Amino acid sequence: NAGVTQTPKFRVLKTGQSMTLLCAQDMNHEYMYWYRQDPGMGLRLIHYSVGEGTTAKGEVPDGYNVSRLKKQNFLLGLESAAPSQTSVYFCASSWPGYGYTFGSGTRLTVV
Amino acid sequence: AQSVSQHNHHVILSEAASLELGCNYSYGGTVNLFWYVQYPGQHLQLLLKYFSGDPLVKGIKGFEAEFIKSKFSFNLRKPSVQWSDTAEYFCAVRGTGGGADGLTFGKGTHLIIQP
Repeated sequence: NAGVTQTPKFRVLKTGQSMTLLCAQDMNHEYMYWYRQDPGMGLRLIHYSVGEGTTAKGEVPDGYNVSRLKKQNFLLGLESAAPSQTSVYFCASSWPGYGYTFGSGTRLTVV
Repeated sequence: AQSVSQHNHHVILSEAASLELGCNYSYGGTVNLFWYVQYPGQHLQLLLKYFSGDPLVKGIKGFEAEFIKSKFSFNLRKPSVQWSDTAEYFCAVRGTGGGADGLTFGKGTHLIIQP
């Protein structure tokens, strides 16, 4: 049982490049989330999904897009990367009313 | 909107010392409360959570937390810390108003345990 798997684990992008981060969960969780973690800021919610085909904005959605075409996958896209998007990105999933399971993170550097 | 405040950003203790990390939240309704730990280079792991019932919650690795509703607090405690407890600790809250808008995290407390 892998839980929540994030790919890739590390990535370096040039400003203006695009990329997609993949989150996959095998627990049949209904809810999925994307957070970013920055020093001294804790984790901040980017986007979330309450089910297949649904997405919603979190606290810091600008510059990101998401899609949830399949229940087990939640994709985070950066269309035109900026240095301000240098961060560690965490995906999480949960059942309504239960705790959250986090992935191991993606460390993204935009130069 | 909910918010979480962690009082100490950096804490340095010696092994065997007692630990208490403060957490206060702001939310007008019923909440679920969490403490997560993040060891260097790793992802977040759940230490303990409070949903309802006994306000004194016991978690893994000897940690416990007490929910004091009147003070909007959920402080984390451990009677005797170990070097391996060196990590970042995050308090988080989720409102139970029926939405699924995720956890709101505090900014974290960096705990260093000196041998």
